[in-house]
Amino acid sequence: AQSVSQHNHHVILSEAASLELGCNYSYGGTVNLFWYVQYPGQHLQLLLKYFSGDPLVKGIKGFEAEFIKSKFSFNLRKPSVQWSDTAEYFCAGSRYNTDKLIFGTGTRLQVFP
Amino acid sequence: EADIYQTPRYLVIGTGKKITLECSQTMGHDKMYWYQQDPGMELHLIHYSYGVNSTEKGDLSSESTVSRIRTEHFPLTLESARPSHTSQYLCASSGTTGTDTGELFFGEGSRLTVL
Repeated sequence: AQSVSQHNHHVILSEAASLELGCNYSYGGTVNLFWYVQYPGQHLQLLLKYFSGDPLVKGIKGFEAEFIKSKFSFNLRKPSVQWSDTAEYFCAGSRYNTDKLIFGTGTRLQVFP
Repeated sequence: EADIYQTPRYLVIGTGKKITLECSQTMGHDKMYWYQQDPGMELHLIHYSYGVNSTEKGDLSSESTVSRIRTEHFPLTLESARPSHTSQYLCASSGTTGTDTGELFFGEGSRLTVL
């Protein structure tokens, strides 16, 4: 069955620390991969996406993710987090040319000043 | 900024009541979706629509029903609510051209509590 796994359920960091959130998918074939973020009290919004091409994808607010096909991974990174990055982060994937996204369980990130 | 709106944001009702969660988008998107999300769990697709008069059930079985009579409107209805329906319901839409392809735009969600 198709699935998306996020192994970090809750991450606590101090400001300026580096961040890496894991995401693995179980699809075969060509996939589209996404990271969504939900700030407290706000709707889910797209952070970045990978469809094809350069496996290192840059998103908003200094986030980036790397697609590693051999590892079925799409980990999210940020070199230096800020208090305003406190949010819930969801990895999602879909088969190429479909719009039915499958989401991971989410990672709650708390950043302390 | 996403232009997709859900009402009500919060709803507390008694068992057996009929409820409708509203979802509207002003982006002209053909595709719309309903996801269900329980705390600490992944979002599960329960309904989707690829256009007017098109509705399909998602991966997670749900007792709710949907309709798509207008492009911009995708309401979800529970005929007789039960405590097991307590959850957050998220509506989303997506475009079919250009950079919108595959990207979902979400509403703020409707948090339903059935007593």
